[in-house]
Amino acid sequence: DTEVTQTPKHLVMGMTNKKSLKCEQHMGHRAMYWYKQKAKKPPELMFVYSYEKLSINESVPSRFSPECPNSSLLNLHLHALQPEDSALYLCASSQQRFTANEKLFFGSGTQLSVL
Amino acid sequence: LAKTTQPISMDSYEGQEVNITCSHNNIATNDYITWYQQFPSQGPRFIIQGYKTKVTNEVASLFIPADRKSSTLSLPRVSLSDTAVYYCLVGPMDSNYQLIWGAGTKLIIKP
Repeated sequence: DTEVTQTPKHLVMGMTNKKSLKCEQHMGHRAMYWYKQKAKKPPELMFVYSYEKLSINESVPSRFSPECPNSSLLNLHLHALQPEDSALYLCASSQQRFTANEKLFFGSGTQLSVL
Repeated sequence: LAKTTQPISMDSYEGQEVNITCSHNNIATNDYITWYQQFPSQGPRFIIQGYKTKVTNEVASLFIPADRKSSTLSLPRVSLSDTAVYYCLVGPMDSNYQLIWGAGTKLIIKP
């Protein structure tokens, strides 16, 4: 199994809603990532988890709250988002962090629209 | 951190070889070069990675000159399904999160 599975595929939420994005991988990878991608732009790193601990937070607003319940799961909790947060949210995993010569395995993403 | 520059878009035809060049003038000694492919509404997919000279796999080749200030992704005999955005990335071998993504090249393959 070389897949990263993200749910839901599409999400529409209001600015006062609370929602969560989910990501799952069963490749035994110990590093997991959240990226944000706006249309026609490259992915931007948001968070990195290494061995289930938050390693990197790229100055992401607190309305985005990541969680790594175990080595296979990664969640992104959303609260009080703004319309400019509308984007494709991608989850990725790699065998471990700190090795740029490793592959990143991406999920298909959640297309988020904030109204 | 190295910055990458790649063409915004390219067109080609089925059966042709396509070469996409990425410029990374201030690449560091310990930086790797990686290419990803992305289809609409999907996450990027790893294509190939290299450090110097030439790397080849079942999908593509990567040519890196001795000065490493640029790299060329070569896709042999493209098909319509190769229409996608191709990203050039540069990053140090000891830190995955410091990967610098290029702006991407939109490759359109015509019949």
